[in-house]
Amino acid sequence: GAGVSQTPSNKVTEKGKYVELRCDPISGHTALYWYRQSLGQGPEFLIYFQGTGAADDSGLPNDRFFAVRPEGSVSTLKIQRTERGDSAVYLCASSFGQGRGYTFGSGTRLTVV
Amino acid sequence: KQEVTQIPAALSVPEGENLVLNCSFTDSAIYNLQWFRQDPGKGLTSLLLIQSSQREQTSGRLNASLDKSSGRSTLYIAASQPGDSATYLCAVRDPLYDSWGKLQFGAGTQVVVTP
Repeated sequence: GAGVSQTPSNKVTEKGKYVELRCDPISGHTALYWYRQSLGQGPEFLIYFQGTGAADDSGLPNDRFFAVRPEGSVSTLKIQRTERGDSAVYLCASSFGQGRGYTFGSGTRLTVV
Repeated sequence: KQEVTQIPAALSVPEGENLVLNCSFTDSAIYNLQWFRQDPGKGLTSLLLIQSSQREQTSGRLNASLDKSSGRSTLYIAASQPGDSATYLCAVRDPLYDSWGKLQFGAGTQVVVTP
C-alpha cells in the first residue's frame, strides 16, 4: 500500500484480556519495527523484524508481549493478560532495510481499563 | 546507554517568529539523527535526516544542524505558521547500541504557533 497501515486505530480492553495489534507495512519493505509511546514520551523500541524473523526483540518488556511476521509482510503484536501499564500508543514502522527510509503508521492507541 | 534530551518540552510563539528546537545526546558515536513531526493522534513524519558526516540539512523553511562533538542538534523553522503546531521529536541511530536501524527518541517539544 501507499503507507503503513495499523489496525485498529483505537482499542479499549479490560485488564487481563488478550489483544492483537496489526501492522501492514509498505510493500517491499523488508524491515519492520514496533515502538511503544507513552503519554508525553518519545517512542521506545520494542522489536525489529528483518523478513520473517525477529532479529532483535530486546525491547519487549516481558513475556506477555509477543510479535510475529509469518510471511514477511503483515506483523501482529500480541499482548497477553493486559495490565493498565500497557496503555500506550503502539507504533509500527517499516523501511527498506535497517533504518533506511523509515515510514511510521498512525499507531494503535491501547487503553486497558 | 544513549540518552536523548529535548529542551524545551513545550514552546508557544506568535505566527511569523522563527522556531529553535534543541536536541542533545550523550554519546557522539551516532550513524545519523532524524527530526520527526507528530500531529495529535497521528504517526511520525520524517522531516530531516542528517548523516554523521554532515553538518546540516535543509528543506524549505526547515534547517537542522548537527554538532556531533558536543552532542547537539538544532532544528530551525523559519517564519512559523499555525500549521507548524505539532510535537517535534529527534531520534538518533547509535551503532554501539542499535545494530538494526532502531532509533532512540527524545521526549519531544510540543510547539504551538498562535495566529
